[in-house]
Amino acid sequence: AQSVTQLDSHVSVSEGTPVLLRCNYSSSYSPSLFWYVQHPNKGLQLLLKYTSAATLVKGINGFEAEFKKSETSFHLTKPSAHMSDAAEYFCVVSDRGNNRLAFGKGNQVVVIP
Amino acid sequence: SQTIHQWPATLVQPVGSPLSLECTVEGTSNPNLYWYRQAAGRGLQLLFYSVGIGQISSEVPQNLSASRPQDRQFILSSKKLLLSDSGFYLCAWSGDRGHYGYTFGSGTRLTVV
Repeated sequence: AQSVTQLDSHVSVSEGTPVLLRCNYSSSYSPSLFWYVQHPNKGLQLLLKYTSAATLVKGINGFEAEFKKSETSFHLTKPSAHMSDAAEYFCVVSDRGNNRLAFGKGNQVVVIP
Repeated sequence: SQTIHQWPATLVQPVGSPLSLECTVEGTSNPNLYWYRQAAGRGLQLLFYSVGIGQISSEVPQNLSASRPQDRQFILSSKKLLLSDSGFYLCAWSGDRGHYGYTFGSGTRLTVV
């Protein structure tokens, strides 16, 4: 079964500085990987996804992530944090042919003005 | 385009009362449908999923149940709520076994008092 590890449950960044959220996964098959963002009392919104095409994936709101198979990682980055980026971020993996997703425990991002 | 609707947005129910949360999807046929619960500090827990009308798979034993009376309708129910049923409930749909990710509803905040 697939699994996801997100360290640093709480991350504080200053406005205008880079954001880095780490995600490592395990998967028995070629995975699909996703980052979702959740604002308070809202549903999860898809930021970006990797589904075996280009390993550097660009998403909405200036976020991007790079799939590194050798490191089993899919870290999320953004060059410059904005106040509106304050939210919870989930890394998610889906095994090919498996009707399940595995969620990380999430990173709560706080942006300091 | 596909859309997912989930209601109500918030609900306060007394212990022992029944529950019915509804989720509908538009713009697609034969979606895979899911109910997740998100408790504070515990990430997302898959409760039920369905690959077709009348087909329900339960992931965890509990006093909740799910039904899929129509292709694009998924209902989460309980006959008698417990305090521990409080949480944020999310409905989601996917196609192609989730290879391209899930689309989530806006969620229902349930407080059992």
